Amino acid sequence: KQEVTQIPAALSVPEGENLVLNCSFTDSAIYNLQWFRQDPGKGLTSLLLIQSSQREQTSGRLNASLDKSSGRSTLYIAASQPGDSATYLCAVNYGQNFVFGPGTRLSVLP
Amino acid sequence: DARVTQTPRHKVTEMGQEVTMRCQPILGHNTVFWYRQTMMQGLELLAYFRNRAPLDDSGMPKDRFSAEMPDATLATLKIQPSEPRDSAVYFCASGRGPGELFFGEGSRLTVL
Repeated sequence: KQEVTQIPAALSVPEGENLVLNCSFTDSAIYNLQWFRQDPGKGLTSLLLIQSSQREQTSGRLNASLDKSSGRSTLYIAASQPGDSATYLCAVNYGQNFVFGPGTRLSVLP
Repeated sequence: DARVTQTPRHKVTEMGQEVTMRCQPILGHNTVFWYRQTMMQGLELLAYFRNRAPLDDSGMPKDRFSAEMPDATLATLKIQPSEPRDSAVYFCASGRGPGELFFGEGSRLTVL
């Protein structure tokens, strides 16, 4: 069964810290992996998409890595800000469907 | 600014009533997904279309839910009859092939 887990479930950090969110998946036969951000009461906003042939992708203060063989992806957020507070979800694309993790709820304290 | 558009944004109805949610995917996208999000279950896939053809609706309760794409600019999700346990946020998402997925703002359904 294709499962996606995310650790930690919740994280609270002071402003300015660098942090890492983890995503693990059981089936490594993926097309790509996508990281999303969800603010309360809102839809999911795409942050980064990593193709199965790529090792990492960067966008501003965000860097996502992918290790297919070990079934892991990490989202690195540099110099965190209160505006980064949200739930972060990873989604693994197996071609016919996306399997979502449960998310990591991040709070960045001023 | 291309985006996935969902209507209604909020819906409150009574048990037994029919509910129809609509989605306009991004122009040029050929895949459309319907997801349901609850606190307990997270995001659950209900239905998946490619080029307007349903490819996977195994996550959808067939006795009361139905999903269609009458044309490339409209996807619908219908619940008849609705039940309190259907209360959730329903998201539509679209993409191009197995590429990046884009979500709408969701339809928050409350069934009393």
